[in-house]
Amino acid sequence: EIVLTQSPGTLSLSPGERATLSCRASQSLGNSYLAWYQQKPGQAPRLLIYGASNRATGVPDRFSGSGSGADFTLTISRLEPEDFAVYHCQHYGTSPFTFGPGTKVDIK
Amino acid sequence: QVQLQESGPRLVKPSETPSLTCTVSGGSVRSSDYFWGWIRQPPGKGPQWIGSMFHSGSTYYNPSLKSRVTISVDTSKNQFSLRLNSVTAADTAVYYCVRHGAFPHWYFDLWGRGTLVTVSS
Repeated sequence: EIVLTQSPGTLSLSPGERATLSCRASQSLGNSYLAWYQQKPGQAPRLLIYGASNRATGVPDRFSGSGSGADFTLTISRLEPEDFAVYHCQHYGTSPFTFGPGTKVDIK
Repeated sequence: QVQLQESGPRLVKPSETPSLTCTVSGGSVRSSDYFWGWIRQPPGKGPQWIGSMFHSGSTYYNPSLKSRVTISVDTSKNQFSLRLNSVTAADTAVYYCVRHGAFPHWYFDLWGRGTLVTVSS
């Protein structure tokens, strides 16, 4: 089973700042089969990025994904008030499909 | 647009075998483009994929849960279901029904709102 580690656990930033979130896999992910989700309190996760760098439908372009192999990054270029949430990464190349524990982006 | 809605018991006792149902609206569980599945999230933790199925009846389970899980479909009702055998407190979680594409596009683009299932005597 591939284990995903996310860092930092919590990121405290102000609106307008840049957020950089990391997701590291316990082994290389073939074909960059990695997705990112945003989750707000009491809500289901929402798909943001798939294939490491492809934005899902309706996702603002301030969200971008990058990386390959075992190291991936989600960047939010300028934080908007609605972006403060928990972000999970997920791999889907091989079963079982696992999620990371999440990075919480909160208001500084 | 397509929506998913979970239903089922909110409180179950240890050793029971609860079933959860997901109703698909605005679309068909018989779509050849999608798989349907279940994910759970214990309080304060990351999500865990439980398993998925295609309308033909093909199923795919997380090996860590495979011995206790059954996912099935009722195309006449446009629903699919999850049955989890012999639950313990460790099965307390929010359970989501989800949709994803065919392999290898197993990222989850549609989620239900989730239902909290608490296992307690």
